[in-house]
Amino acid sequence: DIQLTQSPSSVSASVGDRVTITCRASQGVGRWLAWYQQKPGKAPKLLIYAASSLQTGVPSRFSGSGSGTDFTLTISSLQPEDFATYYCQQANIFPPTFGQGTKLE
Amino acid sequence: EVQLVESGGGLVEPGGSLRLSCAASGFTFSNAWMTWVRQTPGKGLEWLGRIKKKIDGGTADYAAPVKGRFTISRDDSKNTLYLQINSLKTEDTAVYYCTTRPIAVAPNYYYFTDVWGKGTTVTVSS
Repeated sequence: DIQLTQSPSSVSASVGDRVTITCRASQGVGRWLAWYQQKPGKAPKLLIYAASSLQTGVPSRFSGSGSGTDFTLTISSLQPEDFATYYCQQANIFPPTFGQGTKLE
Repeated sequence: EVQLVESGGGLVEPGGSLRLSCAASGFTFSNAWMTWVRQTPGKGLEWLGRIKKKIDGGTADYAAPVKGRFTISRDDSKNTLYLQINSLKTEDTAVYYCTTRPIAVAPNYYYFTDVWGKGTTVTVSS
């Protein structure tokens, strides 16, 4: 299975900060990568798919980039509601796999 | 409103079995590939398996750790997805989510799921 390694595992930031989270795949996944946001006690929410496509309804302060093995999720100006855990997921090679998560606090 | 509602979780002894259900509404269930994902306490997300829509073969495929113990099925007449779990282990204790992407332009997009249920909790303990 493809391993996805996210860094950092946790990050401390403040409202208004620019935050970047990275996801590295153990082998190339093309652009078949998504980012999800999860808040405590809630289901994950899709933010970005196909590496850089913004899911409908997701604020434009979220953006994704990358291809192959290295990907980035950027929040341009952190808002109070953005404090959550973020996961990357690959969908290039079966089975789909998730990264271990990055907690934004 | 597009909605998924899981049910069937609970407390089960090791070695037991459980069938989880996921009731879908607000979209054409028969046209959707459906997926199960779980989250163990304090841990991350684990993709378990998915079942294709019947026109694509209706087949279910699984992640290696659960293959043989987990069975995914669907009843399109009832708009319901199922997850049968046998020989339950303590490490199966988790919140189980069903999830889907009702419309996808290509097969791989079905794995970028944008509709999730609230989850059902399974606790395996004696």
